[in-house]
Amino acid sequence: AQSVTQLDSHVSVSEGTPVLLRCNYSSSYSPSLFWYVQHPNKGLQLLLKYTSAATLVKGINGFEAEFKKSETSFHLTKPSAHMSDAAEYFCVVRGPGRRALTFGSGTRLQVQP
Amino acid sequence: EPEVTQTPSHQVTQMGQEVILRCVPISNHLYFYWYRQILGQKVEFLVSFYNNEISEKSEIFDDQFSVERPDGSNFTLKIRSTKLEDSAMYFCASSEAGATYEQYFGPGTRLTVT
Repeated sequence: AQSVTQLDSHVSVSEGTPVLLRCNYSSSYSPSLFWYVQHPNKGLQLLLKYTSAATLVKGINGFEAEFKKSETSFHLTKPSAHMSDAAEYFCVVRGPGRRALTFGSGTRLQVQP
Repeated sequence: EPEVTQTPSHQVTQMGQEVILRCVPISNHLYFYWYRQILGQKVEFLVSFYNNEISEKSEIFDDQFSVERPDGSNFTLKIRSTKLEDSAMYFCASSEAGATYEQYFGPGTRLTVT
């Protein structure tokens, strides 16, 4: 079985400073990993995905994540936060041969002016 | 840009009543999904649907739940006899058929069972 753990339920940064949202995964096999974002009253939007190609994955809106097998981590980063980045972020894993996504508990990102 | 839509945005029902949640997936997508998120808890997978049959389901998806694609555009989730614990946000998603294709989510329907 696969699972993900998001290490912070809330992260607060100042506008223009770096963002780091942490995620550790557990999977018996090489997983597919995703980051989704949810803005208030909106659906879940895919930020980026890792599917065993390049370990550094670039996504939309300047976000990127690095797959580190030795650390079983898939942390999400952005060099400079923008006010519009304030949202809930979900780390998600999918096991091989499966369609079901397994979600982490989410990290709420606040961006202070 | 095509998107998944869901109706209604909020549904209030009494315990024991049947509810149908509706979704319109992206038109060229072939896989359809339902997830739910109980307030304060994780988003949980319920079921995936392909070629007019369930392809995968979780243990949450018991006999009180059913899914249907009644026509070429809609995808529905029916809860036969709602319980208080069915109160949650229900998300519909769709994807293309390939194994690596991402799932696109709708905005959700908030179901409140009183």
